[in-house]
Parts: sequence; C-alpha cells; structure tokens
Amino acid sequence: GQQLNQSPQSMFIQEGEDVSMNCTSSSIFNTWLWYKQEPGEGPVLLIALYKAGELTSNGRLTAQFGITRKDSFLNISASIPSDVGIYFCAGQETSGSRLTFGEGTQLTVNP
Amino acid sequence: GAVVSQHPSRVICKSGTSVKIECRSLDFQATTMFWYRQFPKQSLMLMATSNEGSKATYEQGVEKDKFLINHASLTLSTLTVTSAHPEDSSFYICSATSIHRLAGSLMDVSYEQYFGPGTRLTVT
Repeated sequence: GQQLNQSPQSMFIQEGEDVSMNCTSSSIFNTWLWYKQEPGEGPVLLIALYKAGELTSNGRLTAQFGITRKDSFLNISASIPSDVGIYFCAGQETSGSRLTFGEGTQLTVNP
Repeated sequence: GAVVSQHPSRVICKSGTSVKIECRSLDFQATTMFWYRQFPKQSLMLMATSNEGSKATYEQGVEKDKFLINHASLTLSTLTVTSAHPEDSSFYICSATSIHRLAGSLMDVSYEQYFGPGTRLTVT
C-alpha cells in the first residue's frame, strides 16, 4: 500500500524560530493536506493543496505541493507557544477518497 | 466552517460489553464519513469508509462484525464496538467529507475531510 514518510519525527525549537517539515510518498497524490492535532482532540485542517507546484499560505503557515506530486512541505514562521502539537500530512488519490496519513511531527516550542 | 461532533468524548466500559460512538456533521451533509483509530504516539489508521445508505467498506484487518458501522442519514454515522476487550482501548476519530467549490472555478470541487474531536475508549 501507499506510504507517507514524514520528517522530522519531532522538533524542539525556541519561540520565534521558523519550522519546516516535509512528507514524501512512494506514489502520486492529487491532493495534499496538512493537519494539526492537539492532545485529546481530533486533527484540524490547516492547509489543503490541489495542484502540483501550488504554494499556499494560511497566516504564518506556508505549504507547497511538490511538482512530482510525491511530496509536500509545511513551513511555520516565527513560531509561538500555541504552535505546539502534532502536525500530520495526508495525501489523497482522488477527491473524496480515503486519506493516507504521515507519521506526524511533534512540535515543541520553548518560550 | 464545517463542524463535526462526536459523542461521547470519553467512555469507560467493562470487557465484553458494547459501546456506541456517534459522529455528526452539524452544518453540512456528508455522504461519506470515515472512522479512524489512533493509538498513543501513533498516526491515524483508517478503519472503514461509511457511505450513507450503503454498507461500510472496511480496511484490511478490521473485523466488520466487531466494529459495526451504520450511516443512517447524511449527518449521522455510528460506530459500535461489540464485545469490547482491553486491546480495543484507543482514540476513535471520525471525519466527514464536505464539498467545496474551488476559488475561481465553476467546475472544480474539492472534498475536504473535517474531523470530529475524537472519543477516548477505555475497556477495563
């Protein structure tokens, strides 16, 4: 089956630093999604990417859909303590189909 | 935005009993809902895809007779864990698909998945 490799597994940074995480896939996805999950809660959609090469921002977050359709990255600029959580990438083959999730990146921001 | 609720948020049950978890899309109709299970420090694992009015499609390795799914309406899907055992203890999360029209396009739509807050099941 499809696999998504997400890295890094965890990050410990100081408040104000920029963060970058990425996902790579063994096969093509037509949609890439980035979610954030906080303890005891469900994932919350941060950014959705629909076209290869697409670069999309949501506040301090920026994500790109790789031109090969096999990768995506998420950047967080000027991190703040409330950015703490687990970030998941997810790929979708076709609209409305199942999501395949990466293993997650645990982000810790020290004030 | 699209809101998905789950009930209950936490449940503790004894081994051998059954537990029902509800997933509702509050402000949109969802033809498809998905059920996931998440163990501590792990990613979400898809259990089954639930389509309104039809039988659920289960992922390989998920017992359909143990995890009963009913999608009776466009806003409600239920997951029943039958004869629960301690190894069924986990965080169960549902998601519902909402259709959006992509900006600048009359034809292109996207199907974004919105997740519920999860249900923590503990089987003693």
